Amino acid sequence: SQQGEEDPQALSIQEGENATMNCSYKTSINNLQWYRQNSGRGLVHLILIRSNEREKHSGRLRVTLDTSKKSSSLLITASRAADTASYFCATDRGAQKLVFGQGTRLTINP
Amino acid sequence: NAGVTQTPKFQVLKTGQSMTLQCAQDMNHEYMSWYRQDPGMGLRLIHYSVGAGITDQGEVPNGYNVSRSTTEDFPLRLLSAAPSQTSVYFCASSYAGNEQYFGPGTRLTVT
Repeated sequence: SQQGEEDPQALSIQEGENATMNCSYKTSINNLQWYRQNSGRGLVHLILIRSNEREKHSGRLRVTLDTSKKSSSLLITASRAADTASYFCATDRGAQKLVFGQGTRLTINP
Repeated sequence: NAGVTQTPKFQVLKTGQSMTLQCAQDMNHEYMSWYRQDPGMGLRLIHYSVGAGITDQGEVPNGYNVSRSTTEDFPLRLLSAAPSQTSVYFCASSYAGNEQYFGPGTRLTVT
């Protein structure tokens, strides 16, 4: 069963706008990770946030984690056409056993 | 560094055939994992290993075997292929508690 549920399933925005994706999970975690997957390719790690952290930044990416609500969000600012991809959250409950959500398909329109 | 490599990239099998998907990493990571991704879905964990000689089952292990004789290699064996195993298979490696590095995937079709 999938631990993470992502919302929305698909998101289409104009280039330059911000994109926000949400992830909810069910059990306690060690950390939560966000990955990007371009069509037909492998996954690329974006950000890892540990259970004792509330916010992390990396370039145009901002991730928040609310362990009381068992939820996380990924914000991409000033989107670009190259950001078009599927984005997945994955929870690590230990021993590197990642449980993935079904992903958000993001389309950036020029 | 080559990172995580997988072979083959594509494979077509007939029902009942067996085969091995190869995975290797050159980053000296102790953790390695196999996932499958079905259309429109996230990844699901098949088997994982926390070090040479140690393997364990993930969420969907039935029909698959693994072994870990070296730190570098983590092959996945399909014992008797079934159409339900048609999927894209990803191998990943990592250090404990850190992000995983994924291979490019093997696209498997079972007819």
